[in-house]
Amino acid sequence: GAGVSQSPSNKVTEKGKDVELRCDPISGHTALYWYRQSLGQGLEFLIYFQGNSAPDKSGLPSDRFSAERTGGSVSTLTIQRTQQEDSAVYLCASSPQTGLNTEAFFGQGTRLTVV
Amino acid sequence: GESVGLHLPTLSVQEGDNSIINCAYSNSASDYFIWYKQESGKGPQFIIDIRSNMDKRQGQRVTVLLNKTVKHLSLQIAATQPGDSAVYFCAENTGGSYIPTFGRGTSLIVHP
Repeated sequence: GAGVSQSPSNKVTEKGKDVELRCDPISGHTALYWYRQSLGQGLEFLIYFQGNSAPDKSGLPSDRFSAERTGGSVSTLTIQRTQQEDSAVYLCASSPQTGLNTEAFFGQGTRLTVV
Repeated sequence: GESVGLHLPTLSVQEGDNSIINCAYSNSASDYFIWYKQESGKGPQFIIDIRSNMDKRQGQRVTVLLNKTVKHLSLQIAATQPGDSAVYFCAENTGGSYIPTFGRGTSLIVHP
């Protein structure tokens, strides 16, 4: 595809259930980011993948959150035992990262609602 | 005024006016800055960037100004159009970090 694709676009889940959010980055982009955006707020960094390097997990809010990136492409963000405060839009972005500073291309996000 | 429930700074302008959106950053070591536009229901979209060795950069209808002395960034939009209505975020990168840090965002409302 032409852009970053995220699925599902909307997810409603019951408190305590696990959820998986998927991100398909732009082909060839080596860097992949996950951010979280609560209503009316800025983007909160969660995790960063770059090539085969160990991911930067410094933004994950708790051990209920984890992410993986298979084959340097598709990424899955998993939230275990969801809580109501996890409700937010989860945004994925990818970047070619050919230089030190390159723009990130964002997907449309997954809106997660925990009820 | 502010939109109820969003708690974002809001700028309301008339179509055709020039808009100026401001951003203060905190890290004096930041050396790369990007402005993003986020329309309702969409992910942020790149508008323009600037490196710390510049103080001004122009694009199509947009200009970014950087004042490193007071750690201030602004986005100027000329002849604002209703399609410019969105939330605008500034993001900063600190040398050696590939992870942009985003500001809170400003909601721009353009009235026809």
